[in-house]
Amino acid sequence: NAGVMQNPRHLVRRRGQEARLRCSPMKGHSHVYWYRQLPEEGLKFMVYLQKENIIDESGMPKERFSAEFPKEGPSILRIQQVVRGDSAAYFCASSGGQRNTEAFFGQGTRLTVV
Amino acid sequence: AQSVTQLDSQVPVFEEAPVELRCNYSSSVSVYLFWYVQYPNQGLQLLLKYLSGSTLVKGINGFEAEFNKSQTSFHLRKPSVHISDTAEYFCAVSLVDDKIIFGKGTRLHILP
Repeated sequence: NAGVMQNPRHLVRRRGQEARLRCSPMKGHSHVYWYRQLPEEGLKFMVYLQKENIIDESGMPKERFSAEFPKEGPSILRIQQVVRGDSAAYFCASSGGQRNTEAFFGQGTRLTVV
Repeated sequence: AQSVTQLDSQVPVFEEAPVELRCNYSSSVSVYLFWYVQYPNQGLQLLLKYLSGSTLVKGINGFEAEFNKSQTSFHLRKPSVHISDTAEYFCAVSLVDDKIIFGKGTRLHILP
């Protein structure tokens, strides 16, 4: 799972600022997932993307959150006008897109909103 | 809607004792099942997976899990735990659209 790279590992933002979280999937993987982990709440699905397409964003808050996975470059999770409640660990995972292959996770980005 | 339920949020176990972490899922279609482990301040890594075939699946670090279709369960077991097994364990299912759904996790505390 060391192949999925997330940066930054730690991000501190003041309320109202924007947070941009990056995820480079494993080589050859075209599917990316984003999850949010809050203390004592486990992993919550946010969004599932393939190259240039959002497949499922049912877990994304309706406002301030957006995600993209362009043809070139990493996947980006963007949070606009952050609030204290956005503080969490955000994990990215990638897979080859077939159901019998597992997802490989990055180390996560820990966002702290002050 | 598909879901994954991990009944225990925390499980304390004495070192060298056996442990079982429970996982139940609900799905109207066939699923693939996974157990992941998360050590402190790290990402998740795969312990084992069930795709088809034998219902008893062996994974890394001495863990195994058994798929029970009639009970829609996929419980994780280890016959003798070590301090190094202290972590959070997540059960997950893969759906037909490739989306992976996770349970809320079970924290395993190993007592000396």
